[in-house]
Amino acid sequence: EVQLVQSGAEVKKPGESLKISCKGSGYSLTNYWIGWVRQMPGKGLEWMGIIHPGDSDTRYSPSFQGQVTISVDKSISTAYLQWSSLKASDTAMYYCARHAGMYDSIDYWGQGTLVTVSS
Amino acid sequence: QSVLTQPPSVSGAPGQRVTISCTGSSSNIGAGYDVHWYQQLPRTAPKLIIYGNSNRPSGVPDRFSGSKSGTSASLAITGLQAEDEADYYCQSYDSSLSGSVFGGGTKLTVL
Repeated sequence: EVQLVQSGAEVKKPGESLKISCKGSGYSLTNYWIGWVRQMPGKGLEWMGIIHPGDSDTRYSPSFQGQVTISVDKSISTAYLQWSSLKASDTAMYYCARHAGMYDSIDYWGQGTLVTVSS
Repeated sequence: QSVLTQPPSVSGAPGQRVTISCTGSSSNIGAGYDVHWYQQLPRTAPKLIIYGNSNRPSGVPDRFSGSKSGTSASLAITGLQAEDEADYYCQSYDSSLSGSVFGGGTKLTVL
């Protein structure tokens, strides 16, 4: 069974750093792209970027380029999303998601990680 | 403003048919990239319900169907049921942004 299991909810202060994770199981991680999707409170889905675990090829949405870093450790089948300096506007639910291909649909989603940034 | 435009809301009575549109441009849907649809129930992760414009994943009822023409796509839901009340999102690839894009989402209310 394919599963994407994300790390737990986080409460941080503005200016702090954060790295959240997404562990894949039940399939070969290097055969699929892993993406990240943001959903701000009461708002829609926003595609942030994507990484191929096989070669770490990474693409970012222009809206998120320079704001976050996507990485992967294929030895432990885990993808990451990190911030170096959080802002209150980063408060959102973040989903990791498996893409069948660069242009393809998201066939599996993680359960989501709620990030709250507040002073 | 989302790259893909969806109506904010649609509604229908149980048993009726509703459609949700997704309008793009020549750099995404009009360029030939596939459109995919997701259903998001309250407080849950989205779920894929249509991929490749008109294909249903295993387990998705045939009451859900998708189509694409030109720079637009549509999701149709027939025989509306109370459990269909959710937010629906379209998604495609955009060549000018070099990445995927979502529509703004449509809230379906079953009256």
